[in-house]
Amino acid sequence: AQTVTQSQPEMSVQEAETVTLSCTYDTSENNYYLFWYKQPPSRQMILVIRQEAYKQQNATENRFSVNFQKAAKSFSLKISDSQLGDTAMYFCAFMKPNTGNQFYFGTGTSLTVIP
Amino acid sequence: DVKVTQSSRYLVKRTGEKVFLECVQDMDHENMFWYRQDPGLGLRLIYFSYDVKMKEKGDIPEGYSVSREKKERFSLILESASTNQTSMYLCASSSRQGGNYYEQYFGPGTRLTVT
Repeated sequence: AQTVTQSQPEMSVQEAETVTLSCTYDTSENNYYLFWYKQPPSRQMILVIRQEAYKQQNATENRFSVNFQKAAKSFSLKISDSQLGDTAMYFCAFMKPNTGNQFYFGTGTSLTVIP
Repeated sequence: DVKVTQSSRYLVKRTGEKVFLECVQDMDHENMFWYRQDPGLGLRLIYFSYDVKMKEKGDIPEGYSVSREKKERFSLILESASTNQTSMYLCASSSRQGGNYYEQYFGPGTRLTVT
């Protein structure tokens, strides 16, 4: 089984500031996908951003970007201009395409944006 | 819009009861998943299904079973509920063929309490 590690159980950031959430993973595969999911308090889990391992360019989605370091097996999420609505649990996930396209999730980082 | 719905948001059951959690998706996805989410442990895969009547064990299948008689519906069954099965249960679905780059779409979750 693949392992995904999020070493920061809790983080906080001032509104409008930038914060980086860390994620590392362990795999011997070459073709895989990485994801960041967001789970706001009492709300549904939604996708924030995805990265294909074969792409060298880091993915960006508006204020969200990743720093994908394939050799180091690192996949951090940067949130710029943090907003109160960014307060949530953030989960990093790994997936290797196969029969069921199973995801492996990290333990999550609880992010609080302070007004 | 992809929709994944779960039969209950909150459920309270007694030890020894048989419990059914149902999940329905409307995107014709082949893959469906059941996770449990516990603080500090992230999301752990219980079972998944990649086609009708097909099922695969995840990381923590003990005490659970599943049923997938129709493509859109995936049920999780607790044969004899125990207090250590008190948790948040999340259902998800995804396309087998890599549509939307394998993104998993999540339901709102069922918070199950076993007393």
